[in-house]
Amino acid sequence: GAVVSQHPSRVICKSGTSVKIECRSLDFQATTMFWYRQFPKKSLMLMATSNEGSKATYEQGVEKDKFLINHASLTLSTLTVTSAHPEDSSFYICSAPRRGGQETQYFGPGTRLLVL
Amino acid sequence: GENVEQHPSTLSVQEGDSAVIKCTYSDSASNYFPWYKQELGKRPQLIIDIRSNVGEKKDQRIAVTLNKTAKHFSLHITETQPEDSAVYFCAASISSSNTGKLIFGQGTTLQVKP
Repeated sequence: GAVVSQHPSRVICKSGTSVKIECRSLDFQATTMFWYRQFPKKSLMLMATSNEGSKATYEQGVEKDKFLINHASLTLSTLTVTSAHPEDSSFYICSAPRRGGQETQYFGPGTRLLVL
Repeated sequence: GENVEQHPSTLSVQEGDSAVIKCTYSDSASNYFPWYKQELGKRPQLIIDIRSNVGEKKDQRIAVTLNKTAKHFSLHITETQPEDSAVYFCAASISSSNTGKLIFGQGTTLQVKP
């Protein structure tokens, strides 16, 4: 199957700092990627759709100025959590469909963020 | 927007028994329904999916059924094994759109007792 990587796998930061998470499709190009957040023992909540070469589309209730998304190439999307607070601590997972938005989605391994 | 409801939230079965997880969706335009298995601290792994042009799909011990009229779909696992223990998520999306975003159910924690 397709491979999607994420970096870093774990990050601990102080409140008020910004954290950047990278999502890469390793063996295919992805014009669209998705970012999810998952709290312990909860489901995956879609945060935003990352679109290569254009602005991301955010889900209702997700602050676009707090969760900055950049999809600069066909294999890389980044999520930056700005001015992180303890309530932002969560498991962040990206996914990418092999072709646009119409194929099976493959998930990255996730990034566990802990904000102190 | 789409809303996906999943039941039960927890399911405990004896090894060798069958397990059934059910999901309902709200948007009749949804036409792609994948099921993911997630082990603790790991990424969701696709185990089976079904598109709206078929009513049933099977892959060894796993099968999925879809009732478009009732807007519900189910995951069936037969001859369960301890390694089937995990959290299972159903999802729905409109794969003909440009986004194809997945909306997930709440998840089912399956425990298979040896």
